[in-house]
Amino acid sequence: EAGVAQSPRYKIIEKRQSVAFWCNPISGHATLYWYQQILGQGPKLLIQFQNNGVVDDSQLPKDRFSAERLKGVDSTLKIQPAKLEDSAVYLCASTRGGSYNEQFFGPGTRLTVL
Amino acid sequence: GDSVTQMEGPVTLSEEAFLTINCTYTATGYPSLFWYVQYPGEGLQLLLKATKADDKGSNKGFEATYRKETTSFHLEKGSVQVSDSAVYFCAFHSGGGADGLTFGKGTHLIIQP
Repeated sequence: EAGVAQSPRYKIIEKRQSVAFWCNPISGHATLYWYQQILGQGPKLLIQFQNNGVVDDSQLPKDRFSAERLKGVDSTLKIQPAKLEDSAVYLCASTRGGSYNEQFFGPGTRLTVL
Repeated sequence: GDSVTQMEGPVTLSEEAFLTINCTYTATGYPSLFWYVQYPGEGLQLLLKATKADDKGSNKGFEATYRKETTSFHLEKGSVQVSDSAVYFCAFHSGGGADGLTFGKGTHLIIQP
């Protein structure tokens, strides 16, 4: 079974520019998560989708970050405008659903904001 | 608020040594507990989990026991190998519909031959 796919793998932008990341979860996985991992720290949840609805976005900085999962499959995360402190790896994860199911992580997108 | 505290790294051990990586958590409700591992150049992957008090998760020779009374989930292995060199993350979620994971900062483990 194919894993969680993410693109691009790397992105370098100037501050105040916009950027978007894409995630395609494992087929049949209803729940999708975006995490932000700053260097030297553990991943931090940004948003959780169940199908195409938002379950938890309490830690998403909504003034600059947005995310959507329109058809309940793939998802995009956008930052507009980017700040220096947004430099991080953005991880996408998916699971079939149910609290005891394993979350499968993608390889991540490494964002550098200059 | 919810948080995970795990021992600072890097932790450097010789091959065949005994490993313990401490993890304690602060959570509302009754969390499920996880250890994730990130090998060099690879993505995060689940190592083991425990979903209720006194459960022991195990995989690849690693073990961790859910200790509700001490809010701990320490990772242990009796004899480490060079191939165990990686970053280890302790994590939990409190269940229900919003089950995003809360992670610790990670512990970098280095095993020397």
